[in-house]
Amino acid sequence: GQSLEQPSEVTAVEGAIVQINCTYQTSGFYGLSWYQQHDGGAPTFLSYNGLDGLEETGRFSSFLSRSDSYGYLLLQELQMKDSASYFCAVHYSGGGADGLTFGKGTHLIIQP
Amino acid sequence: NAGVMQNPRHLVRRRGQEARLRCSPMKGHSHVYWYRQLPEEGLKFMVYLQKENIIDESGMPKERFSAEFPKEGPSILRIQQVVRGDSAAYFCASSPPWVSEAFFGQGTRLTVV
Repeated sequence: GQSLEQPSEVTAVEGAIVQINCTYQTSGFYGLSWYQQHDGGAPTFLSYNGLDGLEETGRFSSFLSRSDSYGYLLLQELQMKDSASYFCAVHYSGGGADGLTFGKGTHLIIQP
Repeated sequence: NAGVMQNPRHLVRRRGQEARLRCSPMKGHSHVYWYRQLPEEGLKFMVYLQKENIIDESGMPKERFSAEFPKEGPSILRIQQVVRGDSAAYFCASSPPWVSEAFFGQGTRLTVV
């Protein structure tokens, strides 16, 4: 089976840096993704880590450690529009097929 | 290239009726995932399909729910004899094989009255 843990809520200040952690237990794991979802909207893809290390895309970075079954999403220079829910998702392979399972999401609250 | 199209965006059904949710994946995408999301909760995996095949339906309730992805046409999530607890947002996502990014539709908000 697949299980993911991420904090339910994180609060940060505009302009600051925030890190959202994700731990997982997954059979056949081969990658970790992050998605952003604004209230009432569809999830949108932010990043993917298939290998250990840091991937940087503008103000957002994502990290993976396969040996620790752990990853995080780092958001820099926070803006009010970054207030949203952030989901980590594990990619796994098993039984001849691939799957994609999401965590319960972290609600990020940005304060002025 | 249009994105993932889901319809209807909003669906109201009375208890006991059937709900049919449609998802047209992006062109060239052969993988379709369905997720259910309750208010203030995460995306709960329901089913993963490829053309004409159900690959993983471990997240689908055993009764009243079914899904298909025919050779031609959209993927359909069908809920028979709906109950109030079925009220949720249902999201569809698609991807080509061996690609890390899944693209989501805008979802169907089902309300059972």
